[in-house]
Amino acid sequence: SQQGEEDPQALSIQEGENATMNCSYKTSINNLQWYRQNSGRGLVHLILIRSNEREKHSGRLRVTLDTSKKSSSLLITASRAADTASYFCATDDQGAQKLVFGQGTRLTINP
Amino acid sequence: GAVVSQHPSRVICKSGTSVKIECRSLDFQATTMFWYRQFPKQSLMLMATSNEGSKATYEQGVEKDKFLINHASLTLSTLTVTSAHPEDSSFYICSAATVNTEAFFGQGTRLTVV
Repeated sequence: SQQGEEDPQALSIQEGENATMNCSYKTSINNLQWYRQNSGRGLVHLILIRSNEREKHSGRLRVTLDTSKKSSSLLITASRAADTASYFCATDDQGAQKLVFGQGTRLTINP
Repeated sequence: GAVVSQHPSRVICKSGTSVKIECRSLDFQATTMFWYRQFPKQSLMLMATSNEGSKATYEQGVEKDKFLINHASLTLSTLTVTSAHPEDSSFYICSAATVNTEAFFGQGTRLTVV
């Protein structure tokens, strides 16, 4: 399977703490994306990082990419209850526009 | 970002019937559309890739005669689940892209086969 792996599979933290999720993938990529999915809902695009970038920020989100290790991390700072969701990384399959999704991290923010 | 609309958002059908799901790009012309399936508490798995005016390319293990994909125009692709069975109950989600752009996702369709 070309599907990437994410860890942890589930993460539960207190509101205000930082949450870090990791993603590993298997093939060469042009870019890596992170998505959020609330239970039973569609995907919300969070951030895209290109293969020539090492770090990217968007509001409370910070994404890193290490192409030598084929891994990425998503950091959510100062977490809020509304951040409770599943988070998926997705890579373009060898440069194609179809995406290969990681298995996801279920994040729970406790008030 | 670009808007992709998927319809219906939820559908319940009887076992043995067929269900059609539409995916429309509202403000751009999508040369390629992708169909994914997501079982409960699992990740999204690509089912097929469709290019406007040509036959869809199915991923390994996906039955092309069961999941009929039509991409007749640059703004519309349809997925028809034929002779649906309870094991086909899932969340189906499409994405659409044009040349050299990222793909944009629809809001998904929850299919329940009873």
